[in-house]
Amino acid sequence: DIQMTQSPSSLSASVGDRVTMTCQASQDIRNYLNWYQQKPGKAPKLLIYDASNLEIGVPSRFSGSGSGTDFTFTISTLQPEDIATYYCQQYDNLPYTFGQGTKLEIK
Amino acid sequence: EVQLLESGGGLVQPGGSLRLSCAASGFTFNNYAMSWVRQAPGKGLEWVSAINGRGFKTYYADSVKGRFTISRDNSKNTLYLQMNSLRAEDTAVYYCAKERLTVGAFDYWGQGTLVTVSS
Repeated sequence: DIQMTQSPSSLSASVGDRVTMTCQASQDIRNYLNWYQQKPGKAPKLLIYDASNLEIGVPSRFSGSGSGTDFTFTISTLQPEDIATYYCQQYDNLPYTFGQGTKLEIK
Repeated sequence: EVQLLESGGGLVQPGGSLRLSCAASGFTFNNYAMSWVRQAPGKGLEWVSAINGRGFKTYYADSVKGRFTISRDNSKNTLYLQMNSLRAEDTAVYYCAKERLTVGAFDYWGQGTLVTVSS
């Protein structure tokens, strides 16, 4: 199975900050990488698919980049409603696997 | 508007069985692959199983292979997960999720149904 490793596990930032988190795959997954946002008690929400494509309706402050084994997710200007846990997920090979998540908190 | 509504969760004893259902609406159900994804209390997301649009191809995580069966009834726009030989480690919120046409990305999720395996 492909292992997905996210870092950091948790992150504290201030409103207005630029926030970056990473996801590393244990083998080349080309660009078959998605990013999800999950708020407490809610289902995950797809934000980015195919590493860098913004899902319809998602604010443009969210972006993704990378290919191969190393990927980055960025929030350009942190908003209070962005408090959540963010997961990456690969779909190059079954089983689909998720990273362990990065929990984002407001300072 | 796409809607996914899970049902069937509850408390079951170890070794018992449960069948989850996911009623879909707002899209052409048989055009899309569907998956079940679970989340143990306080833990991350784990993909469990997937089925293609016609229902002919199914896929499972090793952790549930041989115990869980995914199926769909396209005439009823409903996805199922039959769970047998349940274990404590199967305790989780189970989400059904619709895949994008380019399979592997889950663009819509249900609200989840909690399965608790305990004596």
